[in-house]
Amino acid sequence: DVVMTQSPDSLAVSLGERVTINCRSSQSLLHFSNNKNYLAWYQQKPGQPPKLLIYWASTRESGVPDRFSGSGSATDFTLTISSLQAEDVAVYYCQQYYSTPRTFGQGTKVEIK
Amino acid sequence: QVQLQESGPGLVKPSETLSLTCTVSGDSVSRFYWSWIRQPPGKRPEWIAYIYNSGTTNYNPYLKSRVTISVDTSKNQFSLELSSVTAADTAVYYCARGGGWDDAPVPGFDYWGRGALVTVSS
Repeated sequence: DVVMTQSPDSLAVSLGERVTINCRSSQSLLHFSNNKNYLAWYQQKPGQPPKLLIYWASTRESGVPDRFSGSGSATDFTLTISSLQAEDVAVYYCQQYYSTPRTFGQGTKVEIK
Repeated sequence: QVQLQESGPGLVKPSETLSLTCTVSGDSVSRFYWSWIRQPPGKRPEWIAYIYNSGTTNYNPYLKSRVTISVDTSKNQFSLELSSVTAADTAVYYCARGGGWDDAPVPGFDYWGRGALVTVSS
């Protein structure tokens, strides 16, 4: 199985400040056939299902604000929120779809300082 | 707009079979990938299985011996059965569109149900 490990587990940031969440996979998620990274990011608020934010490591899902961006390749990835808003308080998960079983990171909780 | 809704018992006894159904509107279960995912309280989501093109299935190997995913195209539903449940199977169970990347509007899980809390207890 591909193990997904996120850091940090939680962080508190002031409104308007930048948030950076890291995700590392136990094997490369870069597919040689199409040069794409098989990684997605989700946002989960309390009592709600996860919401898809980003796929192919850096492509924003339709309707997702452009303050959310994804980067990285192979085994190291980053989700960045450029300017934290109150509505961004949530747990964020990375997920690989390179192989089955599909696996998620343990989550990073983002709070307001 | 694609919508999914889970239904089934919220309480299952140990050693019995958990059965859930997902009713889909706004899309057809005959195409794309459809998955079951569960999330124990306070933990990360765990992918259980997907069904693709009304017949191809793929299961999490840790659950494979106990899980069956199936589809009913006439009702536009897909279902989950998990046998021999224990307290460790207590979780919120979600149905979602997605699971594959080669035949999907987007890779990843793009539409989710609201989730069904299933508690395993006598």
